[in-house]
Amino acid sequence: NAGVTQTPKFQVLKTGQSMTLQCAQDMNHNSMYWYRQDPGMGLRLIYYSASEGTTDKGEVPNGYNVSRLNKREFSLRLESAAPSQTSVYFCASSEASTGVGQPQHFGDGTRLSIL
Amino acid sequence: TQLLEQSPQFLSIQEGENLTVYCNSSSVFSSLQWYRQEPGEGPVLLVTVVTGGEVKKLKRLTFQFGDARKDSSLHITAAQPGDTGLYLCAGASYNQGGKLIFGQGTELSVKP
Repeated sequence: NAGVTQTPKFQVLKTGQSMTLQCAQDMNHNSMYWYRQDPGMGLRLIYYSASEGTTDKGEVPNGYNVSRLNKREFSLRLESAAPSQTSVYFCASSEASTGVGQPQHFGDGTRLSIL
Repeated sequence: TQLLEQSPQFLSIQEGENLTVYCNSSSVFSSLQWYRQEPGEGPVLLVTVVTGGEVKKLKRLTFQFGDARKDSSLHITAAQPGDTGLYLCAGASYNQGGKLIFGQGTELSVKP
C-alpha cells in the first residue's frame, strides 16, 4: 500500500552540487507533479507531467529539470544547487491533470538543505 | 495569475472551541479541494467541492464553496487536539489545465 514513494527523505548539499530526487507511484496514475513547500507559501508547482512522455513547467521551474522515466517514475534534478533551493520537495500523482480537479496523492517529502 | 488567499495563517485555540478558515480568490475555480498535512508527511485530501454553494460535512468539519466559486471555508466544531495540523486549500480551473493552485496554508494548533 505504498502510494507515492520519494527518496531520499533528507539530504544536505553544498552550493553547486547536483542531485536527483526520485519519485515513484504504484497507483497507475497518468499525471505526476513536483512541488516545493516553503514556510508561509503553501505548495508551489515546479514541473508536472500530464502523461507519460510529456513534461511542462509550473510556477517556479528555474534551476530544475525533470524526467518522466516511465508511467511510474518522475524525477527532479538540481543541476547546480543554490541556497534558495533549500526547501521541502513533494511529489504527487493523480489519475489525470484535466477535469474538475483530480485529487492528488502526495509522498512524504524530501527535506533538502543547501549550504 | 490565479491566487488563493488563506486566512488566518496561524490559529491557536483550546480544545472544544469552534473555528473557521477562509480561502478567497478574485478568480473563479471549477473545483476546490481541502487538504490536511501533519508534520513530516505529505498533504492528504479531505474533500473536493465542485458546485457553487455546495456544503459538505466530514464529521465535525464543514466545507462550503461560495456561490460564485471564488471562495471557500472550512469550519471545525468542537476542535480536538487531533485536528492539529496544516490546512491547505487548492483550486483547479479548466484554463489552468486542471493544475492545482494552493493557498498559503493555515497552521492550526488545538491545545488540550
